[in-house]
Amino acid sequence: DQQVKQNSPSLSVQEGRISILNCDYTNSMFDYFLWYKKYPAEGPTFLISISSIKDKNEDGRFTVFLNKSAKHLSLHIVPSQPGDSAVYFCAASVRISGSARQLTFGSGTQLTVLP
Amino acid sequence: GAGVSQSPSNKVTEKGKDVELRCDPISGHTALYWYRQRLGQGLEFLIYFQGNSAPDKSGLPSDRFSAERTGESVSTLTIQRTQQEDSAVYLCASSSPMGTYGYTFGSGTRLTVV
Repeated sequence: DQQVKQNSPSLSVQEGRISILNCDYTNSMFDYFLWYKKYPAEGPTFLISISSIKDKNEDGRFTVFLNKSAKHLSLHIVPSQPGDSAVYFCAASVRISGSARQLTFGSGTQLTVLP
Repeated sequence: GAGVSQSPSNKVTEKGKDVELRCDPISGHTALYWYRQRLGQGLEFLIYFQGNSAPDKSGLPSDRFSAERTGESVSTLTIQRTQQEDSAVYLCASSSPMGTYGYTFGSGTRLTVV
């Protein structure tokens, strides 16, 4: 049972255009959401996050939108650059005990930005 | 250290042999996680350590897999009698107890079972 789903395994976008990566979740206990970026032969690195009390968080070219009622979040990259080509993982966080949290990851979306 | 360190970075082993993967978390990070990523798939949770609490082993795929952690330091993931389906990148991550919500990942160990 996948609690975090990224239904698009791949996405190709022209340089300069907008990239939109989507993520759906099922567990209403998730209260914090993150996007990670992964290059080949490297571990995932944190990109941007959003608390469930917000519906938008922006950081430079990256914006994450959260629709709690639809249990859906998306990552927008604009303008897209060739260096953005990577696998993007959506992750959802839930508190499990004390200050301890656990992340559940989606299966990832391979973004290719074409020059 | 400055980041999460994993060794070896690559390991090729023969089917049936045992392997041991190592993870050095960021100093002060009480939580440590092991994930694996098989080719073309997402991140699969394996095991979670939090301080001195009993580990959450719910993600371990079989009893051939085990992990140890000494206090809040190094962790080792051991796979006994390796099978070809164990081939994957094994990722370790650690996180701070002070309310940060994300993990810091190591670069992973690429395990190939031939």
